[in-house]
Amino acid sequence: EVQLVESGGGLVQPGGSLRLSCEASGFTFNTYAMTWVRQAPGKGLDWVASITYSDSDTFYADSVKGRFTISRDNSKNTLYLQMNTLRAEDTAVYYCAKRIVLSPWAFDSWGQGALVTVSS
Amino acid sequence: QSALTQPASVAGSPGQSITISCSGSSNDVGGYNYVSWYQQHSGRAPKVLIYDVDDRPSGVSNRFSGSKSGNTASLTISGLQAEDEADYYCSSYTSSSTVVFGGGTKLTVL
Repeated sequence: EVQLVESGGGLVQPGGSLRLSCEASGFTFNTYAMTWVRQAPGKGLDWVASITYSDSDTFYADSVKGRFTISRDNSKNTLYLQMNTLRAEDTAVYYCAKRIVLSPWAFDSWGQGALVTVSS
Repeated sequence: QSALTQPASVAGSPGQSITISCSGSSNDVGGYNYVSWYQQHSGRAPKVLIYDVDDRPSGVSNRFSGSKSGNTASLTISGLQAEDEADYYCSSYTSSSTVVFGGGTKLTVL
């Protein structure tokens, strides 16, 4: 069974940093691209970033480019999101998601989410 | 990248069919066959219903179907059931090598 477990969320002041982790199990992690998607309280889904299976390519939403970094450690089956210069509008539940095997841009397994609150 | 346009809400009675639209541009929906649909129940993680416009993952009911015409994609739910009451989101790959979601549609089963 595929499992994705996010951790590292919490309360941070504007301008601060936080690193989210997503530990994967139940599938061959190093053969799947992975993605972060966020959802602000009461709002819709918002794609944040994606990374290829080999860490060779990364993709970012304009709203986080230059501030967030997606990375992975295939030896630890773990996906990361380093978030710097955080803003109030970054407050959201952050989900990690696994690419569906048959399509590069659809996501078939999601974690339970990690809440990030940016506030003074 | 602007969000794809979905109706804020739709409603239907049990047994009926409803369709949710998802409008974009030639830079996303119209330019690629990478449209997906997700269902999200309150407080839960999203679940993929449709990928690549009209493909259904194994385990997803055939009551859910997808289609696309030009820059607009659609999700149809037939034989509406109470458990279908949820939020629905479309997404598309874009010409900027990003992914864009729709604003979401709240489905109410009357």
